[in-house]
Amino acid sequence: DIQMTQSPSSLSASVGDRVTITCRASQSITSYLNWYQQKPGKAPKLLIYVASSLQSAVPSRFSGSGSGTDFTLTISSLQPEDFATYYCQQSYRIPLTFGGGTKVEIQ
Amino acid sequence: QVQLMESGGGVVQPGRSLRLSCAASGFTFTNFPMHWVRQAPGKGLEWVAVISFDGTNKYYADSVKGRFTVSRDNSKTTLFLQMNSLKIEDTAVYYCARAADYDILAGFDYWGRGTLVTVSS
Repeated sequence: DIQMTQSPSSLSASVGDRVTITCRASQSITSYLNWYQQKPGKAPKLLIYVASSLQSAVPSRFSGSGSGTDFTLTISSLQPEDFATYYCQQSYRIPLTFGGGTKVEIQ
Repeated sequence: QVQLMESGGGVVQPGRSLRLSCAASGFTFTNFPMHWVRQAPGKGLEWVAVISFDGTNKYYADSVKGRFTVSRDNSKTTLFLQMNSLKIEDTAVYYCARAADYDILAGFDYWGRGTLVTVSS
């Protein structure tokens, strides 16, 4: 199975900060990497697919980059509604696997 | 608009069975693979199973293989998850999710609200 490792597991930031979350795959997954946002008690929401494509209606302050084994999710200017947990997920091979999550908290 | 609504969760004893349903609407159900993803209390996301658009191909996580069966009724636009021989570690919120593309490997672009399954004696 492909293991997905996210870092950090949590971070504290302020509104307006630039935030970067990294995700590393245990083997190359080319660009088959997706990012999700999940708020407490809610279902996850797709933000970025195939590493860098912005899902419809997702604000442009979210961006993704990377290929192979190393990927990044960037929030250019953190907004109050962005405090949540973020997950990466590989869609290169079955079984589909997720990273452990990064909780973004208010500083 | 796309809607997915899970049902069938509840409290069940270890070793027993439960069947989850996911009613889909707002899109052409027969065009998309469908997934089940679960989340144990306070934990991360775990993919469980996928079924192709026509039901011919099914894949499972090792943790549920041989115990869970995914199926779909395209005439009723409904997805199912039959869960047998339930274990305490199957306790989780179970989400149904639509594949973002016609490929079973695509990400998940729409999710239901989830249904809680609690396995406890």
